[in-house]
Amino acid sequence: EAGVAQSPRYKIIEKRQSVAFWCNPISGHATLYWYQQILGQGPKLLIQFQNNGVVDDSQLPKDRFSAERLKGVDSTLKIQPAKLEDSAVYLCASSSTGGAAGYTFGSGTRLTVV
Amino acid sequence: EDQVTQSPEALRLQEGESSSLNCSYTVSGLRGLFWYRQDPGKGPEFLFTLYSAGEEKEKERLKATLTKKESFLHITAPKPEDSATYLCAGIKAAGNKLTFGGGTRVLVKP
Repeated sequence: EAGVAQSPRYKIIEKRQSVAFWCNPISGHATLYWYQQILGQGPKLLIQFQNNGVVDDSQLPKDRFSAERLKGVDSTLKIQPAKLEDSAVYLCASSSTGGAAGYTFGSGTRLTVV
Repeated sequence: EDQVTQSPEALRLQEGESSSLNCSYTVSGLRGLFWYRQDPGKGPEFLFTLYSAGEEKEKERLKATLTKKESFLHITAPKPEDSATYLCAGIKAAGNKLTFGGGTRVLVKP
């Protein structure tokens, strides 16, 4: 079974620029998550999709972050404009409906804002 | 507010020196407690899920246990390849959101 694919692996941008991350979940997984992991901390949920609908985006800074999941498969997360404090690893994860067995995480995109 | 706290933040062990990691939680409507392993540059890798107090799960040198307020990850006779960050996370009965602790960075020296 192929894992969760994310790209790019690394990205360096200047503050106030925009950036987008892409995620392809495990085939058939209805639920997709974006987490932000700041260095030395545990991951924090930004947004959860069920198919192509948003289930939870309560911790997404909506003035600068946006996300979409087209056709209930791939997803993109965008930051515009980026701030220094957005430097982090952005992890995508997916789970089958119910998620009781635990998520499968991708390797993440490491964003550095300078 | 849901909270998961892990201790210690970092742990240095000699090969073969057993130890335990602690995860205390206050998550309303907790459905399960997850343990993950995270290697540098990679996403968290699933280890265990625990659902009820008294439950135990084992995998090679790792054993996870759960009480009503905390969970422990015991590492028995660790090897250098056990070096990683270990994360615990709680999941609520409603929805599938994971609330993570800050992790424990484990370094096992030969």
